[in-house]
Amino acid sequence: DAMVIQNPRYQVTQFGKPVTLSCSQTLNHNVMYWYQQKSSQAPKLLFHYYDKDFNNEADTPDNFQSRRPNTSFCFLDIRSPGLGDAAMYLCATSAGWSYEQYFGPGTRLTVT
Amino acid sequence: ELKVEQNPLFLSMQEGKNYTIYCNYSTTSDRLYWYRQDPGKSLESLFVLLSNGAVKQEGRLMASLDTKARLSTLHITAAVHDLSATYFCAVDKSGGGADGLTFGKGTHLIIQP
Repeated sequence: DAMVIQNPRYQVTQFGKPVTLSCSQTLNHNVMYWYQQKSSQAPKLLFHYYDKDFNNEADTPDNFQSRRPNTSFCFLDIRSPGLGDAAMYLCATSAGWSYEQYFGPGTRLTVT
Repeated sequence: ELKVEQNPLFLSMQEGKNYTIYCNYSTTSDRLYWYRQDPGKSLESLFVLLSNGAVKQEGRLMASLDTKARLSTLHITAAVHDLSATYFCAVDKSGGGADGLTFGKGTHLIIQP
């Protein structure tokens, strides 16, 4: 089935140790998003790619970077994770006139 | 800056009762989305509302959109325990494109037998 896949589902990293989260999609959608959702809060958009064009939210910390090497894959890099970066990271894709977003299962990041 | 406000933020109700969750937003937009989230899980799409006056129903849930009032409602009819979850409304940041969503804070719904 076509879907949005995130790996790993659970990630534990140490304070300051770089970490990469992965998202892949079989929907062939041209837009991919990364959201951060902290405990008991709403998802918050970090950035998105429209095809190869990168769009960063103004308040996304420089500590967060993203790469999209091809249509199917998108990566979230956290260069120096802090305790405050512990969260669920949600990848989503969209295409078409409705721009409905399809969310992956998420990666739960723990920082020790 | 786009603001999306939901109320109530917390709702405890009994099975069989009806209730409505409200979602107000601060920009002109004709695209509004409702999602369900279970604890520890990702977001599940419930409804996509794309025009003024749009009404969609699925089972015991019905969503509507009034773009002139900048208001959407999610109505629950004869609630059952399985509907216990957190419900988010979300609006396109750009009001009609693919720039991502701004979410309300969510309504934590508990339905008691």
